[in-house]
Amino acid sequence: EAGVAQSPRYKIIEKRQSVAFWCNPISGHATLYWYQQILGQGPKLLIQFQNNGVVDDSQLPKDRFSAERLKGVDSTLKIQPAKLEDSAVYLCASSLNFQLAGEIRGYEQYFGPGTRLTVT
Amino acid sequence: DAKTTQPNSMESNEEEPVHLPCNHSTISGTDYIHWYRQLPSQGPEYVIHGLTSNVNNRMASLAIAEDRKSSTLILHRATLRDAAVYYCILRDGGPTYGGATNKLIFGTGTLLAVQP
Repeated sequence: EAGVAQSPRYKIIEKRQSVAFWCNPISGHATLYWYQQILGQGPKLLIQFQNNGVVDDSQLPKDRFSAERLKGVDSTLKIQPAKLEDSAVYLCASSLNFQLAGEIRGYEQYFGPGTRLTVT
Repeated sequence: DAKTTQPNSMESNEEEPVHLPCNHSTISGTDYIHWYRQLPSQGPEYVIHGLTSNVNNRMASLAIAEDRKSSTLILHRATLRDAAVYYCILRDGGPTYGGATNKLIFGTGTLLAVQP
């Protein structure tokens, strides 16, 4: 089974430029997540999609970050304009999530390799 | 959101068991205990999860205290490939939106070093 794919793997931009990251989740996974991981810290959830609807974007800096998941499959995360503090690894994850006997199952998250962003 | 406390780092010898502790004294009745690990330069990887009873899978065992205020991830025979940051996370298993699950909140985890 193919894992979560992300591109690019590395990106270097200057502050105030824009950048976009792409994620292709595991086939059939309903839930997609974008995380930001700053060096030395654990991943922080930016946005969570259930199919193509947003479940949680409370930690997304909406003045500069945007994300979409068209057709409930692939997703893109955009930063415009970038700041120095946006330097981090951006991780995409997906999970199956389905209901069985009234309980949610398949919520284990599978992560992609991440995109390392450096803003200079 | 309920929080967990883990040691910043631990060391182990190869082929010996490793016990990684996690304290979660404010855990609620609907919180599941999840463990993920992150190998160098990779995304996190699911290890195991549980609610009340101890759990075993091919990767590890999870021992949960009777009062659920602490848990221990057990790697039965550490290998060099087990060197990673291990995250203990509480996930709210309560009512969710539209079939989605409540989010994971990662801390800084425990950096496990394995010596040959």
